Amino acid sequence: DQQVKQNSPSLSVQEGRISILNCDYTNSMFDYFLWYKKYPAEGPTFLISISSIKDKNEDGRFTVFLNKSAKHLSLHIVPSQPGDSAVYFCAASASNFGNEKLTFGTGTRLTIIP
Amino acid sequence: DTGVSQDPRHKITKRGQNVTFRCDPISEHNRLYWYRQTLGQGPEFLTYFQNEAQLEKSRLLSDRFSAERPKGSFSTLEIQRTEQGDSAMYLCASSLGAGSNGYTFGSGTRLTVV
Repeated sequence: DQQVKQNSPSLSVQEGRISILNCDYTNSMFDYFLWYKKYPAEGPTFLISISSIKDKNEDGRFTVFLNKSAKHLSLHIVPSQPGDSAVYFCAASASNFGNEKLTFGTGTRLTIIP
Repeated sequence: DTGVSQDPRHKITKRGQNVTFRCDPISEHNRLYWYRQTLGQGPEFLTYFQNEAQLEKSRLLSDRFSAERPKGSFSTLEIQRTEQGDSAMYLCASSLGAGSNGYTFGSGTRLTVV
């Protein structure tokens, strides 16, 4: 069963506009959430994370929002730049329960149109 | 320090052969993780080490798979009697302490079983 879901396989956004990537999860034990970015032929790169005790975390152009009641998180990128074109993975862990592994979604391919 | 290094980058092998991959983590990182990624999927957890101790293994890691981390430095992942279903990208990652702070991934080893 897919415990972390990214229902949009792809997304295209005009340069300068806001990109919103969505992620849903089903496991109530998840308490830490991360976003990774992946370019072709490279490993995933950590972008930003959020603990379940928060509902928002911001780092420069990247903001992650967490809605625990809906088991939903989103990544906002504003303004979008051509270098943001990549595959974005949402991941979750149950770290407070001693489980260090990350469970990843299937990814969303973001294309920024110049 | 050049990050997490994986060798080889690509491996083509005939079905039934054994293969071994190597991962060199960031030197001060005490945790090392192996993930597998197939086409259209996110990375899936295989196993992780804290120093030389293997702390968790996924059910995905069948008896044909074995991982070691002698002396708590580099790690090897061996697949015996390879099958076509083993074709995937094998990703290694390392972290200092809890992985929820964001692992550093290597670029992966792409295995093709023919």
